[in-house]
Amino acid sequence: GQQLNQSPQSMFIQEGEDVSMNCTSSSIFNTWLWYKQDPGEGPVLLIALYKAGELTSNGRLTAQFGITRKDSFLNISASIPSDVGIYFCAGQHAGGTSYGKLTFGQGTILTVHP
Amino acid sequence: DTEVTQTPKHLVMGMTNKKSLKCEQHMGHRAMYWYKQKAKKPPELMFVYSYEKLSINESVPSRFSPECPNSSLLNLHLHALQPEDSALYLCASSQVDLGVFSYEQYFGPGTRLTVT
Repeated sequence: GQQLNQSPQSMFIQEGEDVSMNCTSSSIFNTWLWYKQDPGEGPVLLIALYKAGELTSNGRLTAQFGITRKDSFLNISASIPSDVGIYFCAGQHAGGTSYGKLTFGQGTILTVHP
Repeated sequence: DTEVTQTPKHLVMGMTNKKSLKCEQHMGHRAMYWYKQKAKKPPELMFVYSYEKLSINESVPSRFSPECPNSSLLNLHLHALQPEDSALYLCASSQVDLGVFSYEQYFGPGTRLTVT
């Protein structure tokens, strides 16, 4: 199946620092989503992107849909301790089946030191 | 209201037990999903229901049996599970308009299943 390469796998940062993570694929995607998952909870949708080049913000979060439609990045500015968690990118492959099937990246584990 | 609820929160079952996981959403979504997630791994799709009909079965073993009694409810019936089936089971839902799926899926908190 289609794969998403998400990097970095993990990040250890100080509170107040900015964070950047990205997902890449060899295939074209129609939709990119970014989720955050806290321990013991389900993923929470942060940002959804639908057009190549689209740049969308949600508070301190900013995500972009790459021009080539093969990548997306997520930036978090001025990190705080509650940003800790696992961040997943997910996408809808352009040539994929319908029925809402998503491809997920492997996740970025974010640790924020106070 | 973007809430998906799941019960129970935790479940411990033996390999000969029969149990069920429940999921409910009141967002008017017509697509519902079951995922399995191992620790620090992404969710793996198991089943997709659209308009209460099974649309996708990702070659899941028959010891997992899904059921969609109505547009708000999704169940997962478990029987004769193996220890390797221990995982977080997530339910999600999304809109469907005129047969076109929204890819914005909203997840429940999950059921932590342990098979002994």
